[in-house]
Amino acid sequence: KQEVTQIPAALSVPEGENLVLNCSFTDSAIYNLQWFRQDPGKGLTSLLLIQSSQREQTSGRLNASLDKSSGRSTLYIAASQPGDSATYLCAPSTGNQFYFGTGTSLTVIP
Amino acid sequence: GAVVSQHPSRVICKSGTSVKIECRSLDFQATTMFWYRQFPKQSLMLMATSNEGSKATYEQGVEKDKFLINHASLTLSTLTVTSAHPEDSSFYICSAVHSNKGTDTQYFGPGTRLTVL
Repeated sequence: KQEVTQIPAALSVPEGENLVLNCSFTDSAIYNLQWFRQDPGKGLTSLLLIQSSQREQTSGRLNASLDKSSGRSTLYIAASQPGDSATYLCAPSTGNQFYFGTGTSLTVIP
Repeated sequence: GAVVSQHPSRVICKSGTSVKIECRSLDFQATTMFWYRQFPKQSLMLMATSNEGSKATYEQGVEKDKFLINHASLTLSTLTVTSAHPEDSSFYICSAVHSNKGTDTQYFGPGTRLTVL
């Protein structure tokens, strides 16, 4: 069964810092990998989707990389803002099923 | 576009009663919908996959007789928690797969907070 680990579990940074969230997964036979954002009590918002054949995806200040063979993905957030405060979830997918980590809780301090 | 709604957003019920949660894709058809639940400080876990017109597929450890899923149309799936108990209190989220976009694109509902007293 796929196991997903996210490090760190929590992160608090001052506004403007660049930061990296790490994700590792045990089964490299994935179809794609998504990064989600979850605000308290809210549903998930998909941030970036990386296909298994891709190495990275970028959207605005967000950049996600994927090293499928080693079972790792990172989410890079540039110039963090208070509005980025949320829980970030990494989810590798077999195509129909997602496997979620416990997430990284990010707090950006103004 | 691609909006998914859930109703109710919040429900409190007595132990032993049944609760129905609706998941609707408002502006697209969804052949497949997923139901997740999230316990406090735990990751979001897939409960079942709901396919229109067929029986749902449940994940290991999820009781299909307790969590009844009906996907009667391309825009509506319902999750009924039967004989709810306090340990069923959780945040339930559905997602819908846009029929024309394949399984890569899931749109999530806002979630339903269930509290069983």
